[in-house]
Amino acid sequence: DARVTQTPRHKVTEMGQEVTMRCQPILGHNTVFWYRQTMMQGLELLAYFRNRAPLDDSGMPKDRFSAEMPDATLATLKIQPSEPRDSAVYFCASAPSNQPQHFGDGTRLSIL
Amino acid sequence: AQKVTQAQTEISVVEKEDVTLDCVYETRDTTYYLFWYKQPPSGELVFLIRRNSFDEQNEISGRYSWNFQKSTSSFNFTITASQVVDSAVYFCALSALYNQGGKLIFGQGTELSVKP
Repeated sequence: DARVTQTPRHKVTEMGQEVTMRCQPILGHNTVFWYRQTMMQGLELLAYFRNRAPLDDSGMPKDRFSAEMPDATLATLKIQPSEPRDSAVYFCASAPSNQPQHFGDGTRLSIL
Repeated sequence: AQKVTQAQTEISVVEKEDVTLDCVYETRDTTYYLFWYKQPPSGELVFLIRRNSFDEQNEISGRYSWNFQKSTSSFNFTITASQVVDSAVYFCALSALYNQGGKLIFGQGTELSVKP
């Protein structure tokens, strides 16, 4: 079964450090999403891309978060500088046009 | 604005009981999709079902069934003869059909605990 691959699975770092999370979407899926899951806010969309072009990043804190798709096989989510409130599970999902999203296993991020 | 409400935060049942998870949604769109995802203790999100707003037929898949009622803006999920492996957090979600790229609006989730 094809899967969305996220790395790293876990990340612990100190506040102020740069964090980069990576996602390899399923081959052939042209839409990629980043979600964040916290106890307080639940699952919320941060950004998404179609055919590598950013369509909506209104859910991201603009001053410290950035999302890119350098190529069709890689999506990245960066936080610089990181803060304790960024601690969460970050999910990447991919989908072909107008089809259900398939989620990766998530990156569990802890900022000390 | 779009919103999904799962009023049941936690449900606990004993194995073999039937259980229904409620989902109520709000949207101004006339066409939309509704989803259920399962998040087991291992943390991944597993797609269970998608329905579009054109189709109000109920669906059954094994022990799972879904009841979509447009009149009450509800998309409820029933597990028949629950098993311990059904223990998970279940999320209901909504997306527009034709625009907004398919981004999902999730409910807060219902944590289901099935005890032996």
